[in-house]
Amino acid sequence: EAGVAQSPRYKIIEKRQSVAFWCNPISGHATLYWYQQILGQGPKLLIQFQNNGVVDDSQLPKDRFSAERLKGVDSTLKIQPAKLEDSAVYLCASSLEFSFTDTQYFGPGTRLTVL
Amino acid sequence: AQTVTQSQPEMSVQEAETVTLSCTYDTSESDYYLFWYKQPPSRQMILVIRQEAYKQQNATENRFSVNFQKAAKSFSLKISDSQLGDAAMYFCAYSDSNTGNQFYFGTGTSLTVIP
Repeated sequence: EAGVAQSPRYKIIEKRQSVAFWCNPISGHATLYWYQQILGQGPKLLIQFQNNGVVDDSQLPKDRFSAERLKGVDSTLKIQPAKLEDSAVYLCASSLEFSFTDTQYFGPGTRLTVL
Repeated sequence: AQTVTQSQPEMSVQEAETVTLSCTYDTSESDYYLFWYKQPPSRQMILVIRQEAYKQQNATENRFSVNFQKAAKSFSLKISDSQLGDAAMYFCAYSDSNTGNQFYFGTGTSLTVIP
């Protein structure tokens, strides 16, 4: 079974530039999550989708971050414009169902450096 | 919001020895799940072990076991017969039905295995 795929693995941009990350969850997984992991901290949820609908985006800085999950499969997370404090690893995860009992499976992450 | 605390930023263990990583959490819920995830350097986070709060029996997965103390809100991970491949960041995570299925993570413990 293929795992969660993410691209790119690394990205370096200047502040005020735009960047987009892509995630392909495990086939058949209904729920998709985007986390931000700042160095030295645990992952923090940004947004979660159930199929192609947003379930929770309360921690997403909506003035600069946006995300979509078209057709309930792949997802894209965008930052526009980027700030220095956005430097972090962005993790995508998926789970089979929408349940707190479900294990979340993580992708390798995208390491973003904002200069 | 629920909080998860990992009070050991770094731990080390001799190869073949046993090490215990600590995790405490704060919640008023009675039904919840706890997880330990392993994040090797530059690699994706993978599930090590999970525990349902209603189950009194401690979860075990090969060399990995937990000591779940519900009253004390403690969830420690014991790694027996440590191997070089166990070196990684270990994150404790919590979820319940009121968290919208999101995981709350601790800040992680970096485990070094000494040959």
